[in-house]
Amino acid sequence: SQTIHQWPATLVQPVGSPLSLECTVEGTSNPNLYWYRQAAGRGLQLLFYSVGIGQISSEVPQNLSASRPQDRQFILSSKKLLLSDSGFYLCAWSVGQSFFLTLHFGNGTRLTVT
Amino acid sequence: GQQVMQIPQYQHVQEGEDFTTYCNSSTTLSNIQWYKQRPGGHPVFLIQLVKSGEVKKQKRLTFQFGEAKKNSSLHITATQTTDVGTYFCATNAGGTSYGKLTFGQGTILTVHP
Repeated sequence: SQTIHQWPATLVQPVGSPLSLECTVEGTSNPNLYWYRQAAGRGLQLLFYSVGIGQISSEVPQNLSASRPQDRQFILSSKKLLLSDSGFYLCAWSVGQSFFLTLHFGNGTRLTVT
Repeated sequence: GQQVMQIPQYQHVQEGEDFTTYCNSSTTLSNIQWYKQRPGGHPVFLIQLVKSGEVKKQKRLTFQFGEAKKNSSLHITATQTTDVGTYFCATNAGGTSYGKLTFGQGTILTVHP
């Protein structure tokens, strides 16, 4: 069965410091991968998605970037964190191409920028 | 892309009472998905509706998709404390086939024992 791993679970970083969050999926090949951010425990905002190695689509201009160095690995990065980057970051996966794909989320990383 | 508005933002109920959350759009939707997020947890897929007027049930949960495919509802009968959490609707954004979902803001359900 497929599993998704996301780490770390929590992170406290000072303003201006770099960020690297990692997500890996097991048990499937060529997944679609996504990074979502949830601010203040409310709605989910799509940040990036990837349909293959090296293919990244950015949904919202921001201080963050994403990379997909391997088929089942998705990384969210920042060179210099802002206070507004605080939030709950969720990685998700799906498989295939369809208008009806459903998402499977990891446990998330709760980031606090101080 | 398509947007969906969810109401109410918060709902406090006594255990045993019913609960309904609504998801509305100004445009016709290709589909509606519902997710549940327990406090401190991650969203978990519940169900997907794609047909006009579709109704699906999961035990005490009833999901409906409007005839015009512009709204949806999730109804919980006789809530239990295990129903606590945030309920999100989501829809395929921009008509792509890559699973790009737009989520509503969610309804936070609190159940008092």
